[in-house]
Amino acid sequence: NAGVTQTPKFQVLKTGQSMTLQCAQDMNHNSMYWYRQDPGMGLRLIYYSASEGTTDKGEVPNGYNVSRLNKREFSLRLESAAPSQTSVYFCASSVGGLLEQYFGPGTRLTVT
Amino acid sequence: EDKVVQSPLSLVVHEGDTVTLNCSYEVTNFRSLLWYKQEKKAPTFLFMLTSSGIEKKSGRLSSILDKKELFSILNITATQTGDSAIYLCAVEKSSGDKLTFGTGTRLAVRP
Repeated sequence: NAGVTQTPKFQVLKTGQSMTLQCAQDMNHNSMYWYRQDPGMGLRLIYYSASEGTTDKGEVPNGYNVSRLNKREFSLRLESAAPSQTSVYFCASSVGGLLEQYFGPGTRLTVT
Repeated sequence: EDKVVQSPLSLVVHEGDTVTLNCSYEVTNFRSLLWYKQEKKAPTFLFMLTSSGIEKKSGRLSSILDKKELFSILNITATQTGDSAIYLCAVEKSSGDKLTFGTGTRLAVRP
């Protein structure tokens, strides 16, 4: 099992460009999450999907959109990137309920 | 507003030392508290605590939760250089699947 995979690993964008971060899990998990991690800020939840077909906003959703394409895949889209979105983005998944989340390797995004 | 506060923010110790990391929280409808270890990349799960006073143990790491005083501690005994990492605490609410993370404690273990 690959667990949680993310693409790309690194990305540099210019202000105003758009891009989609891809995430997939092969553990048959119901819930999937997108976080961003900034120095001194910890992990902050952007969006999550408790089950296929549903998505909900997290703590910092502005400037992002998500799609839960199917049970395996959960993508994060930046429509018009801003320097404030420079961060490391982590995708995670869990069975749901009281069970722990498994994290992908992260995407380091720089917006200039 | 939900809050998870970790202390200290960073810590430097020598191999063989024992360390205690702290996590306090203020959330409504608490369900569980989780500890993660983050080395170079993705956080990896360590413990989940739901009941007060019951210690979870894995090798040299142990953790306990106090639901009355709203905090948890993570102990690492006989530290090794491989314990160097950021340790993250997160709290889950009963109202959904979301975790609220603290900012983490950066631990450096010197040889």
